[in-house]
Amino acid sequence: QVQLVQSGAEVKKPGASVKVSCKASGYTFTSHDINWMRQVPGQGLEWMGWVSPNSENTGYAQRFQGRVTMTRDTSVSTAYMELSSLTSEDTAVYYCAIAVAVGSFDNWGQGTLVTVS
Amino acid sequence: SYDLTQPPSLSVSPGQAASITCSGDKLGDKYASWYQQKPGQSPVLVIYQDSKRPSGIPERFSGSISGDTATLVISGTQAMDEADYYCQTWDNGVIFGGGTKLTVL
Repeated sequence: QVQLVQSGAEVKKPGASVKVSCKASGYTFTSHDINWMRQVPGQGLEWMGWVSPNSENTGYAQRFQGRVTMTRDTSVSTAYMELSSLTSEDTAVYYCAIAVAVGSFDNWGQGTLVTVS
Repeated sequence: SYDLTQPPSLSVSPGQAASITCSGDKLGDKYASWYQQKPGQSPVLVIYQDSKRPSGIPERFSGSISGDTATLVISGTQAMDEADYYCQTWDNGVIFGGGTKLTVL
């Protein structure tokens, strides 16, 4: 079955960068774009962008342009999301998700808590 | 920028129907999806393409769309349905509604 397994929780200082990984299994890694979302504690879901494992093309939400980089390593079926210049407002749970069967996000990672303090 | 508007909260009694709305400009011209999220868990897709249910989602979950408003209906709401619900569409990227906290009491 499809699985997305994310890296563990991180604590970062303001101004630092964080890199979260999302390891995929159970499907052909290059077949589906990987999207990244985040959720600030107590708030809603926010889309950050996507990366194509096939081409490494990316698309970022405007508010993260210039601060986020999404990449992938097909040799280990893993996607990465790096966010720089962290502030306390970036404290959130970060999720990767893919749309495999139905055109909407039917598979999600377990989430990675990033705390900036 | 494109916005989706949901009511922040909704309370229903067990066995009643819960109806959660999601409004956006010309939303009917796009596809709407709905996600359920319980505390400490990742979101789960419950409705896609306005009204379709993924396999494994109970039949009591249904969706519809009319004009600018998509609606998620949970018939015969159960205690286990208590969760946050988010609508989602695409407009120059992925857009989520602000979420609706459904309380079953």
